[in-house]
Amino acid sequence: SQKIEQNSEALNIQEGKTATLTCNYTNYSPAYLQWYRQDPGRGPVFLLLIRENEKEKRKERLKVTFDTTLKQSLFHITASQPADSATYLCALDSWGKLQFGSGTQVVVTP
Amino acid sequence: NAGVTQTPKFQVLKTGQSMTLQCAQDMNHEYMSWYRQDPGMGLRLIHYSVGAGITDQGEVPNGYNVSRSTTEDFPLRLLSAAPSQTSVYFCASRLSGEINYGYTFGSGTRLTVV
Repeated sequence: SQKIEQNSEALNIQEGKTATLTCNYTNYSPAYLQWYRQDPGRGPVFLLLIRENEKEKRKERLKVTFDTTLKQSLFHITASQPADSATYLCALDSWGKLQFGSGTQVVVTP
Repeated sequence: NAGVTQTPKFQVLKTGQSMTLQCAQDMNHEYMSWYRQDPGMGLRLIHYSVGAGITDQGEVPNGYNVSRSTTEDFPLRLLSAAPSQTSVYFCASRLSGEINYGYTFGSGTRLTVV
């Protein structure tokens, strides 16, 4: 079965810096790789998705890269703000089957 | 549009009791899924459906049943609750086919089995 790995250690970062999160998977490349944000006590909120034939996607201060050879995605938050503090989840979407990594907590300090 | 609606928000069950967690969406989404999230962990897929009448098992299906008789509803049944099923349960949905948007999640059901 698919194994999805994210760094379990919290990422502490200063306001204004770029946060970079990693997502690695073991088996088949998904149709879509997605990133979600989850705040305590809330459901995940969709941020970005990237297709298996795409290398990079951007949305405002967010950037996602996808390397199907390395089986890895990188998620960047540029010019980070304290409001970006949350847990970020990587998910592999294979036509109806969405599986998540365990998430990485990001803490942005002023 | 109400999005994805989960009921109840909170539930306490005794070991051995059965119950159904409800999930409804009004966005005409074909794909629907159920997850459980335990403290400090990511979401684990229980069951998913790609359309009415079609369901499949996820990573942790034991102890749970689902059916999908309509596009809108995807209930999750606990047949005989166990303390190990204490968790927060999330339902999610999305359109099928080529997409530019991911899944929409409900606000969750917090279940405690005593």
